[in-house]
Amino acid sequence: DAGVIQSPRHEVTEMGQEVTLRCKPISGHNSLFWYRQTMMRGLELLIYFNNNVPIDDSGMPEDRFSAKMPNASFSTLKIQPSEPRDSAVYFCASTERGRGMVPLYSNQPQHFGDGTRLSIL
Amino acid sequence: QKEVEQNSGPLSVPEGAIASLNCTYSDRGSQSFFWYRQYSGKSPELIMSIYSNGDKEDGRFTAQLNKASQYVSLLIRDSQPSDSATYLCAVNEAGYSTLTFGKGTMLLVSP
Repeated sequence: DAGVIQSPRHEVTEMGQEVTLRCKPISGHNSLFWYRQTMMRGLELLIYFNNNVPIDDSGMPEDRFSAKMPNASFSTLKIQPSEPRDSAVYFCASTERGRGMVPLYSNQPQHFGDGTRLSIL
Repeated sequence: QKEVEQNSGPLSVPEGAIASLNCTYSDRGSQSFFWYRQYSGKSPELIMSIYSNGDKEDGRFTAQLNKASQYVSLLIRDSQPSDSATYLCAVNEAGYSTLTFGKGTMLLVSP
């Protein structure tokens, strides 16, 4: 089965430009997560969706960041305008529906895409 | 604030030895625990999950969980140079889908 698919793999752009990162979760998974990873801060959760609805965006650093999930098989993370401090690796992950009594959350492991390495000059 | 703590390492072991990686967490409500392996420049890859106290074995890997002590560990037997990577501990709190990740322990296995 195909895993989580992210594009592009690498993005280099100049400060002030709009950046759009894309993610296709594993088919049948109903939760999707966007992370940012840097050496200093490790892996940070930016936002997550459950059944295409944003549940928690408290990790989004500022209004320059936005994320959408128009359907179960596609999500975008957009940065506008981009800044050099946004340079990082951005991961998308997905997880299947929980097997517990409460279907709204999942205690199942997350599966990660290959990431997008973003460099803002 | 939920915290997951790991020694950053590097943890250096010779080939064939047992590598022991440790993780502590702050939230007593945590219910699911995962170990991910991340090679340099690659994405995190799930290697073990554990949900109840005790040991869980999968090949050369053993995960150990002690909820009373809020402690989870990963043992790698017969360590190989290909095991050299950063190992991330991740914890899920009951009632939430999100994971809290530690910053990882770098493992170096020398031939």
